Amino acid sequence: DTGVSQDPRHKITKRGQNVTFRCDPISEHNRLYWYRQTLGQGPEFLTYFQNEAQLEKSRLLSDRFSAERPKGSFSTLEIQRTEQGDSAMYLCASSLEGRLSGTGQETQYFGPGTRLLVL
Amino acid sequence: AQKITQTQPGMFVQEKEAVTLDCTYDTSDPSYGLFWYKQPSSGEMIFLIYQGSYDQQNATEGRYSLNFQKARKSANLVISASQLGDSAMYFCAMREGLRYNFNKFYFGSGTKLNVKP
Repeated sequence: DTGVSQDPRHKITKRGQNVTFRCDPISEHNRLYWYRQTLGQGPEFLTYFQNEAQLEKSRLLSDRFSAERPKGSFSTLEIQRTEQGDSAMYLCASSLEGRLSGTGQETQYFGPGTRLLVL
Repeated sequence: AQKITQTQPGMFVQEKEAVTLDCTYDTSDPSYGLFWYKQPSSGEMIFLIYQGSYDQQNATEGRYSLNFQKARKSANLVISASQLGDSAMYFCAMREGLRYNFNKFYFGSGTKLNVKP
């Protein structure tokens, strides 16, 4: 299967610890997105990469959060000094920039997510 | 203001009947795209259908169609002939800033659809 994969699928950590999540996008996709989803809500955009460049960051992405995509392939999302409010599902999605500029039909394919619980 | 509003937290529909899930959006950008995703209990988001702001016709994909009313800023999803496997959360989403090649996506809070046998 060549879909988006995320690792780990589940993470339990204690408040104050650092955690790192990995996302492997679909291989030919040049765009990669991170979202956070809390229970009963839709995904909230965190950041996105075009190849290795981080082009957009949400205000939700505090100084404790950092994301990288060093070679334009896989990406990591690190949360430092975790807080209980960080407990959520972290979703990764990838897409291929549309051949027709401005059409907007750039479908994002989502991974299964990493569920984080901060105790 | 909310960018995407889904006013139906939960919906029930009888198997084989059609159902409409509501979505309204807010943007001042003339260039935008609208999406619907399905999220089963397993958690993975599945793309269903897309509508561009300049598209003249309503999008259709199999049993899914999008009722796009631009002046009312609504993009309702219609599922025809509901199946038990359609039971899931459904999210409406919008991509803004197409002219500038932005990539900010906004999702609504979702509608939980239950299909009854």
